[in-house]
Amino acid sequence: QQPVQSPQAVILREGEDAVINCSSSKALYSVHWYRQKHGEAPVFLMILLKGGEQKGHEKISASFNEKKQQSSLYLTASQLSYSGTYFCGTESTKIFGNEKLTFGTGTRLTIIP
Amino acid sequence: NAGVTQTPKFQVLKTGQSMTLQCAQDMNHEYMSWYRQDPGMGLRLIHYSVGAGITDQGEVPNGYNVSRSTTEDFPLRLLSAAPSQTSVYFCASSYSGGGLGNTIYFGEGSWLTVV
Repeated sequence: QQPVQSPQAVILREGEDAVINCSSSKALYSVHWYRQKHGEAPVFLMILLKGGEQKGHEKISASFNEKKQQSSLYLTASQLSYSGTYFCGTESTKIFGNEKLTFGTGTRLTIIP
Repeated sequence: NAGVTQTPKFQVLKTGQSMTLQCAQDMNHEYMSWYRQDPGMGLRLIHYSVGAGITDQGEVPNGYNVSRSTTEDFPLRLLSAAPSQTSVYFCASSYSGGGLGNTIYFGEGSWLTVV
């Protein structure tokens, strides 16, 4: 079952902050975040594991609430380059590889000058 | 380093025709997968492979076939194209090892239209 992302779309002025949420009905082992610009492939942003480990970009932060099966992506002091559609992907079991990653339907972020 | 390479980038098919979307990666990744992306649906997993000779079905496998004879290549075959298969297809690969190493690298996508 797909994780649910909110909001579905958001418009910000350059410099403003945004929070994108991802919720699952299943217990999660990991959450991945990707950004996709129009007509391009998704690009890795963050990965968060159950237990607290995480890896990702310097200017982007995220949290993972294991009890609520939720993750939030925090975009601070947004730049024009942050525009795009953000996807979360979730894994329910600890397995080698991520062949069972299930993606949400995306959050479209538009940054205006 | 090319990463994940998909061909063709654009294709128009007639209903009932068959075709193969090619995917190759040069990162020596064990894991490869195919996703389709439709408006409002996000990325949905079609088939995946955890190594040469090993494949399995994802969320939406009907109408598609895969094989994995080498680590580098993972082609996706449309057996008899239908308009419902009009979509953008992404091939992806990732490192085997679990945990923080599971970054997915996507190809540039293949835009397929079935008329």
